[in-house]
Amino acid sequence: GAVVSQHPSRVICKSGTSVKIECRSLDFQATTMFWYRQFPKKSLMLMATSNEGSKATYEQGVEKDKFLINHASLTLSTLTVTSAHPEDSSFYICSASDVVRGYMNTEAFFGQGTRLTVV
Amino acid sequence: QKEVEQNSGPLSVPEGAIASLNCTYSDRGSQSFFWYRQYSGKSPELIMFIYSNGDKEDGRFTAQLNKASQYVSLLIRDSQPSDSATYLCAVKVDGNQFYFGTGTSLTVIP
Repeated sequence: GAVVSQHPSRVICKSGTSVKIECRSLDFQATTMFWYRQFPKKSLMLMATSNEGSKATYEQGVEKDKFLINHASLTLSTLTVTSAHPEDSSFYICSASDVVRGYMNTEAFFGQGTRLTVV
Repeated sequence: QKEVEQNSGPLSVPEGAIASLNCTYSDRGSQSFFWYRQYSGKSPELIMFIYSNGDKEDGRFTAQLNKASQYVSLLIRDSQPSDSATYLCAVKVDGNQFYFGTGTSLTVIP
């Protein structure tokens, strides 16, 4: 199956600093990627849809100035958590679909996830 | 957020039994439905998808879809301890966006 690589897998940062998370589709082009966050024992919450070459679409309640998304190429999307605070500590996961394969049965391939801890 | 509802569990079944996981969704425009399994601290992995009404079988897994009732389920036959995980129901809507349920925690008791 298609591979989505996410980096770093774990990061610890100090309050007030910014952290960048990368999501790459390794063997397919992804015009659209998605960013999720997951709190312990909770489900995935869609944060935003990352569109190649245009602005990201954010879900209601997600601060676009805090979670900066850049999708500069068909294989790379980045999420930058700006001025991080302890409450931003979470598991962040990206996903992408290989839409060339077809729409209805195209699954979402997930990156490995990034465990962010803000101290 | 589109609403996708699952019983959070935990659901416990003995080894060899059938585990039944249920999911309902609110958006009638939803087009395809996916079941993912997630182990603690790991990313979700696809079990199977379904987009037509009825049953779809893949090995020990059977997905069932009823669009009129906005209901999708996953049956796991001959449950194994290795099936113990959280099962996420996901619904795909326009724009290729996925919305996930809260997940059902399954424990298979040896």
